[in-house]
Amino acid sequence: QSVLTQPPSVSGAPGQRVTISCTGSSSNIGADYDVHWYQQLPGTAPKLLIYGNSNRPSGIPDRFSGSKSGTSASLAITGLQAEDEADYYCQSYDSSLSGVVFGGGTKLTVL
Amino acid sequence: EVQLVESGGGLVQPGGSLRLSCAASGFTFSSYTMNWVRQAPGKGLEWLSYIGSSSFIIYYAESVKGRFTISRDNAKNSLYLQMNSLRDEDTAVYYCARKRSSSPSYYFDYWGQGTLVTVSS
Repeated sequence: QSVLTQPPSVSGAPGQRVTISCTGSSSNIGADYDVHWYQQLPGTAPKLLIYGNSNRPSGIPDRFSGSKSGTSASLAITGLQAEDEADYYCQSYDSSLSGVVFGGGTKLTVL
Repeated sequence: EVQLVESGGGLVQPGGSLRLSCAASGFTFSSYTMNWVRQAPGKGLEWLSYIGSSSFIIYYAESVKGRFTISRDNAKNSLYLQMNSLRDEDTAVYYCARKRSSSPSYYFDYWGQGTLVTVSS
């Protein structure tokens, strides 16, 4: 059971917009700790996608955006492409656990 | 170009030991805090351990505290994870990852390709 809760799967057709939620609690996201997102393509290592809730590292397309509100965060992907098919993980810090925590991951399927 | 390359994984019996290495290049290794993160087959990511740039600050997840030891050799640009008393549930791909941000909710901007550890009799 992950500290941060993500839907196991989401799907969308090419060109569509999808969102992936990440729900935490008052000891992590709700305590104003930043949320970060990673993309893991099949058989590869995770790759930083969004940091500090809404910032994109160099090279990440602006089709990817992040937001945070209250005890939740969201990753939005617009103009869905076949190569976006991957697992997506949110990550934050939990003060009760005194450590980094991840969501359970969401598998994005491009129909 | 930043590169992190793990090695040392393999098959080990329950109760056994293994030492993982992570060779870093393309950045000033001695200036960065490093971490180990693992991923069990078909499962999500689990943070394991953190070591500060000078090795003075070290943290472990409860799941590995007392069994795993993180260390680094800045002269060799290398990060290590000594794993003892291995259990079936330690079977996973182990990644080294570079820490960014000074806030408690730091993130990992670079990851290695991972090394597979299989604990089985």
